[in-house]
Amino acid sequence: NAGVTQTPKFQVLKTGQSMTLQCAQDMNHNSMYWYRQDPGMGLRLIYYSASEGTTDKGEVPNGYNVSRLNKREFSLRLESAAPSQTSVYFCASIPGGTLYEQYFGPGTRLTVT
Amino acid sequence: AQSVTQPDIHITVSEGASLELRCNYSYGATPYLFWYVQSPGQGLQLLLKYFSGDTLVQGIKGFEAEFKRSQSSFNLRKPSVHWSDAAEYFCAVGDRADKLIFGTGTRLQVFP
Repeated sequence: NAGVTQTPKFQVLKTGQSMTLQCAQDMNHNSMYWYRQDPGMGLRLIYYSASEGTTDKGEVPNGYNVSRLNKREFSLRLESAAPSQTSVYFCASIPGGTLYEQYFGPGTRLTVT
Repeated sequence: AQSVTQPDIHITVSEGASLELRCNYSYGATPYLFWYVQSPGQGLQLLLKYFSGDTLVQGIKGFEAEFKRSQSSFNLRKPSVHWSDAAEYFCAVGDRADKLIFGTGTRLQVFP
């Protein structure tokens, strides 16, 4: 199993450009998450999807949209990138329900100039 | 409001020394508690978790943590640190394992 995979690994955007970060998991997990990690701020939840077909906002959803394409894939879209969105983005998944750890992808480092 | 505090931003220890990383939380009920480790350029890996039962939990790589309800703490310990333990460590809490609040992290540096 590859676990949780994210593409791309690195990306540089100009202000105003759009892009989609891709996340896929092959563990048949129900729930998937997008976090951003900024220095000194830990991980903050952007959006999550408790199951296929559902999405909900997390702590910092502004400027982002998500799509739970199917059970495996959960994408994060920046419609008009801003320098404040420069960050490392992590996708995570869990089987569903409680009592499970989150499995994290390797991250996407995004720079917006 | 729910919160997690990791008071130490950066800790430096010598290889072979003992280690304790602090984590304090503010929560209405008994939370689910986690410690994750992040090596440079990598995602987060679970070290250990506490849901209920024995308050001293064992994790991978020789780490353990103790839940102290009276102190709202969940400190991570290791008796003898190895150079490969150099990484960033995150404490996380939640009332359900699928919705977590992460601390700001403690960066561990290990000197030979």
